[in-house]
Amino acid sequence: QSLLTQPPSASGTPGQRVTISCSGSSSNVGSNYVYWYQHIPGTAPKLLIYRNNQRPSGVPDRFSASKSGTSASLAISGLRSEDEAHYYCAAWDDSLRGLGVFGGGTKLTVL
Amino acid sequence: EVQLVQSGGKLVQPGGSLRLSCAASGFTVSSNYMSWVRQAPGKGLEWVSVIYSGGSTFYADSVKGRFTISRDNSMNTLYLQMNSLRAEDTAVYYCAREGTITISGVVIPRGYGMDVWGQGTTVTVS
Repeated sequence: QSLLTQPPSASGTPGQRVTISCSGSSSNVGSNYVYWYQHIPGTAPKLLIYRNNQRPSGVPDRFSASKSGTSASLAISGLRSEDEAHYYCAAWDDSLRGLGVFGGGTKLTVL
Repeated sequence: EVQLVQSGGKLVQPGGSLRLSCAASGFTVSSNYMSWVRQAPGKGLEWVSVIYSGGSTFYADSVKGRFTISRDNSMNTLYLQMNSLRAEDTAVYYCAREGTITISGVVIPRGYGMDVWGQGTTVTVS
């Protein structure tokens, strides 16, 4: 059971906007930055969002994220077939020395 | 080109040992926080271990006392020594760089997230 809770699945049709939630606690999301990763099976995970809502260069602006209190969310607008992947939130946790924690992951299906 | 190239994964018997390698190019391993992350079959990502640029090391409870993270600065390579392997250690193991960001001239370690990943290497304990 991860310290960060994500819905196991999400879906949408091409062009739609979908959101994925990440619920934590005061020791992780509530007091530390949240990061988001995209993982397509068989490939290396990819950084999508850093420091709650910042996009690395090269990540399309269709991807956005926000954080409020102990919850965070990732939004994908203009959904495309290549967005079908697993999405993970991650954050440091004050109870874990040095390590961070990943959410359980959300499998996004593009219908 | 900034990249991480992994090697070392294989089939090993329970109780056995294995060392994973992660060779970096385009940046200096010792100047960054470096992590190992794994994904067991059908499971999500799990943060396994991290080594700070200053040399401090940290481990998940699930591997503490059995795994050792280290680096060879001359080889610019990160390692994960895995001992007393168990079936539940079966996973794809990834190494990753925790990128730094600079704000107002101050370098903040790991502020950028895991921005460079190895290709993954499969460890099977059976």
